[in-house]
Amino acid sequence: EIVLTQSPGTLSLSPGERATLSCRASQSVTSSYLAWYQQKPGQAPRLLIYGASNRATGIPDRFSGSGSGTDFSLTISRLEPEDFAVYYCQQCGSSPYNFGQGTKLEIK
Amino acid sequence: QVQLVQSGAEVKKPGASVKVSCKASGYTFTSYDIHWVRQAPGQGLEWMGKINPSGGSTRNAQKFRGRVSMTRDTSTRTVFMELSSLRSEDTAVYYCARDKYDSYDYWGQGTLVIVS
Repeated sequence: EIVLTQSPGTLSLSPGERATLSCRASQSVTSSYLAWYQQKPGQAPRLLIYGASNRATGIPDRFSGSGSGTDFSLTISRLEPEDFAVYYCQQCGSSPYNFGQGTKLEIK
Repeated sequence: QVQLVQSGAEVKKPGASVKVSCKASGYTFTSYDIHWVRQAPGQGLEWMGKINPSGGSTRNAQKFRGRVSMTRDTSTRTVFMELSSLRSEDTAVYYCARDKYDSYDYWGQGTLVIVS
């Protein structure tokens, strides 16, 4: 099974700064099967990026995804107060469709 | 608009079973797989399995094989996830989610299952 490892575990930044979150896979993942989600306390996850680099409907363009093979990243160009949350990557190319353990983005 | 509405919270005793429902509306029910994901308190997301509402075929994570059953009722546009032989570690919020482009564009509101 493919294991996804996200880093860092916690990222402390200030509004207006740039955030880069990493997702590393234990085996190669087809780009079309890599997604990113945002989750806030008490809410269901929200799809941000699908196919490694495609923004989901309604997602602001400050969110971008990139990567291929085993290394993927999510970048938030200028942090807004509402962006502080937990972020998960997931692969849907090979069952089980594992998630990473998450990166908590907190206000510095 | 697309909606996935799940059944309410449940409290179960160890060894019992729980059946969670997920009612879909606002789109062609048989066109998209539904996945189940759970989240234990303070923990990350865990994929459990998926069902194709058209033919009813399923694929489950090895961890849950033998304990989880996913079914659907096309007449009511509802998907069900039943987990048996419950233990305390199964205490979690259970989510259903629609699979579009191999990612989950719509999620249910979550169903809290407490095993105690």
